[in-house]
Formats: sequence, C-alpha cells, structure tokens
Amino acid sequence: GAGVSQSPSNKVTEKGKDVELRCDPISGHTALYWYRQSLGQGLEFLIYFQGNSAPDKSGLPSDRFSAERTGGSVSTLTIQRTQQEDSAVYLCASSLALPGLGTDTQYFGPGTRLTVL
Amino acid sequence: AQSVSQHNHHVILSEAASLELGCNYSYGGTVNLFWYVQYPGQHLQLLLKYFSGDPLVKDIKGFEAEFIKSKFSFNLRKPSVQWSDTAEYFCAVNSNSGNTPLVFGKGTRLSVIA
Repeated sequence: GAGVSQSPSNKVTEKGKDVELRCDPISGHTALYWYRQSLGQGLEFLIYFQGNSAPDKSGLPSDRFSAERTGGSVSTLTIQRTQQEDSAVYLCASSLALPGLGTDTQYFGPGTRLTVL
Repeated sequence: AQSVSQHNHHVILSEAASLELGCNYSYGGTVNLFWYVQYPGQHLQLLLKYFSGDPLVKDIKGFEAEFIKSKFSFNLRKPSVQWSDTAEYFCAVNSNSGNTPLVFGKGTRLSVIA
C-alpha cells in the first residue's frame, strides 16, 4: 500500500506569513507524529496524535505552532507568523499503534522543506 | 532527560572496509531501539529495530546492530561497505511501555568512496 505522503514537498514563504503543511498517514495507522529536521538540531519531536486521545504537544517550540488531525487520518501542521529559524524539513510519521502494544515502528514521509525568507 | 548520542558526525570509508557506528542512549525504563537511514534525496527509512529477545538484529543487506544493555549501546555494524551505503544514519530510541515519540541522535553521515 501507499506510504506516508506529505504536501507540499517544498514551501518558500516570507517572514511573518502563516503556512500549513499536510500529512496523509498510512491507511489504518492510528498514531501520527510530526518531527522537524534542521541543521545543527537533528530530528526533533513536535507533536503526537494517538487515536481520539488529546495530542501530546510537548515538543512544540512555541505557541505559533499548532496541529490538528481530522477524522483520525489527515493532519495539518500550522505555523503562524513564520520566522527564519522555522526553516527546516518537517517530517510526518505514522504507526499502527495497536492498544497495549508498546513495540511499534514509525514510518516516515518524504517531508516538507520549509524556507522562510 | 532522554537522549541519544552518536559518536561520529562524518565517517569516510573505502569500499569493502568494515563499518561500526556508535550509538549510546540515556532513557529510563525499557526501550525500543532503531536505526533509520536516509539515502541521498530519499526519505528516512527503517534499517533495523530491536524490541526484545535476541540482542543482535540483522538485515538482508549485511547490516547488524547489537543491543548491549549494560553499556546502553546499540552500535551499527557492517563487515564490508558498498558505495551504495553512502547515506546518513540515525539512531533512535523510545519507550517500550507505550507508543511514544522517538528520540533521535544527531546522525552520522557515511561516505563510501571507490
């Protein structure tokens, strides 16, 4: 089946503008994760959705970042009033996350490369 | 705090040389361990994983990783590298007690030269 897909693949925006990044997880996967990959910082966790539970937002770097997941499938990461330090590759991952199973593999999408001018 | 350390930032090897990439983690509780690989121009892909059982895990391309609990390590090895192994390698860990976000090391860039 299809893997995790993300759109757009590249986004160039001006400082201060809002951006939305989209993630389509693997069908049937109930857990969805957003990560950020930037030079010098490596891969950092941003936010995690598991089924209908409240998301784990502990990795969001500021209140300019938010995400939602509609219908337990597609997720959108929104960055408001973008800053140059937001430039990075934003990665989405999904996993099957069967209840009570702590051993799970996350599958990654190709990422969205965000450049803030 | 949970953390993963990868000792080498950039490794350059000739084809047929042996490879060992170090990974040490700091994480309370029982862990899952992963190596992900990112080939040039491609997205992050799972290479190896350890959940439980035999601490030595292998894949069909000759990579192996060994979990040594006493050393909090999960080093990646390959006896003979190929040019096509040129990529960035990331070690990652998460809790075995539930589905949790991964904590990644900063990655090791491997360049294999002919």
